[in-house]
Amino acid sequence: AQSVTQLDSQVPVFEEAPVELRCNYSSSVSVYLFWYVQYPNQGLQLLLKYLSGSTLVKGINGFEAEFNKSQTSFHLRKPSVHISDTAEYFCAVGETSGSRLTFGEGTQLTVNP
Amino acid sequence: ETGVTQSPTHLIKTRGQQVTLRCSSQSGHNTVSWYQQALGQGPQFIFQYYREEENGRGNFPPRFSGLQFPNYSSELNVNALELDDSALYLCASSFGSLGEQYFGPGTRLTVT
Repeated sequence: AQSVTQLDSQVPVFEEAPVELRCNYSSSVSVYLFWYVQYPNQGLQLLLKYLSGSTLVKGINGFEAEFNKSQTSFHLRKPSVHISDTAEYFCAVGETSGSRLTFGEGTQLTVNP
Repeated sequence: ETGVTQSPTHLIKTRGQQVTLRCSSQSGHNTVSWYQQALGQGPQFIFQYYREEENGRGNFPPRFSGLQFPNYSSELNVNALELDDSALYLCASSFGSLGEQYFGPGTRLTVT
């Protein structure tokens, strides 16, 4: 069984500030890790994914995430956020890229001017 | 290249009715997964279809059923609708179980 815990349901930040969205996971098997973004009234867009190799993964829109196997974490970071980054962010795990994904509850990132 | 499309965008049904949601997969993809996203929650896996066969199912009752057609488009059917079925239904397509999943915009179902 797999589970994902997103530690913050809401994260308010000011524009141009750094941000970290936290994600912990639990799984009895090796998993792939994903971060998705969802803008209002839209579907999910993949930000980045960790499959293997380097533990620091770079994604779209300036986001990056670091896989930490010992802490079973996959935190998402951005050094300087924009108003347009305001959205819901979901962390997910899956046994492969195309298999069933288990999602966290989501973190609402609100960037204020 | 056409992305994943879903229809309808919104619909309203009454408790006890039946509903069919449709998903067209991205060109070249042969796998479709369906997810239910209740308000304020993360998506939950309903089931996956690969080459017209069900290939995995989440913790949903049998009144949730699906089909995949030879062109790899898919339908999600829900019978005996309940108020708790109100949600955004997302489909995602991929090329097999190793391909990245691309999500459609979703269908918002409201059950009254």
